[in-house]
Amino acid sequence: AQSVTQLDSQVPVFEEAPVELRCNYSSSVSVYLFWYVQYPNQGLQLLLKYLSGSTLVKGINGFEAEFNKSQTSFHLRKPSVHISDTAEYFCAVSIYGGSQGNLIFGKGTKLSVKP
Amino acid sequence: NAGVTQTPKFQVLKTGQSMTLQCAQDMNHNSMYWYRQDPGMGLRLIYYSASEGTTDKGEVPNGYNVSRLNKREFSLRLESAAPSQTSVYFCASSDEGYSGNTIYFGEGSWLTVV
Repeated sequence: AQSVTQLDSQVPVFEEAPVELRCNYSSSVSVYLFWYVQYPNQGLQLLLKYLSGSTLVKGINGFEAEFNKSQTSFHLRKPSVHISDTAEYFCAVSIYGGSQGNLIFGKGTKLSVKP
Repeated sequence: NAGVTQTPKFQVLKTGQSMTLQCAQDMNHNSMYWYRQDPGMGLRLIYYSASEGTTDKGEVPNGYNVSRLNKREFSLRLESAAPSQTSVYFCASSDEGYSGNTIYFGEGSWLTVV
């Protein structure tokens, strides 16, 4: 079975600073990788996903993530954050060819952007 | 664009009471899901329905039942609520096909069991 670990539960950062949210996964087979964002009191929405091809994936709101197979990581980055990026971010993994009930979420990282 | 709509948004139940969370999607998706979110636990799948007429257990199905009423609607029922079921519940949907599909979430239902 696959698993996902988000290494930081909370990340405080000042506005306009760069940020990296870390995600590591474990799986014996090929995977798909996702980042979802949850703004306060809302549901989750997709930020970006890696299915295949280029290991650098660009998403909405200026975020990007890099798939590193050798390090089993999928870290999320943004070069300059805004107050509006304050949210909880979830990394998720599913098995290539598996059922959609197979999507496993990490425990989340709360990004707090301070002025 | 309504997307995924779930009701009620807030509910307080007494231990032992029953209730049903309703969910409907207007994106013509085949697959639907119910997740629960607890602090520090991320999202955990309760049940999912890959297509109309089918349902499968997820990671935490105990204490819940589901009904896929039609392609649009997927309800979650708590037969005898327990304090451990205090949580935020999310309904979601996706197109069928494969595990790389994007899942679209509703805005959540906050349930407190006292």
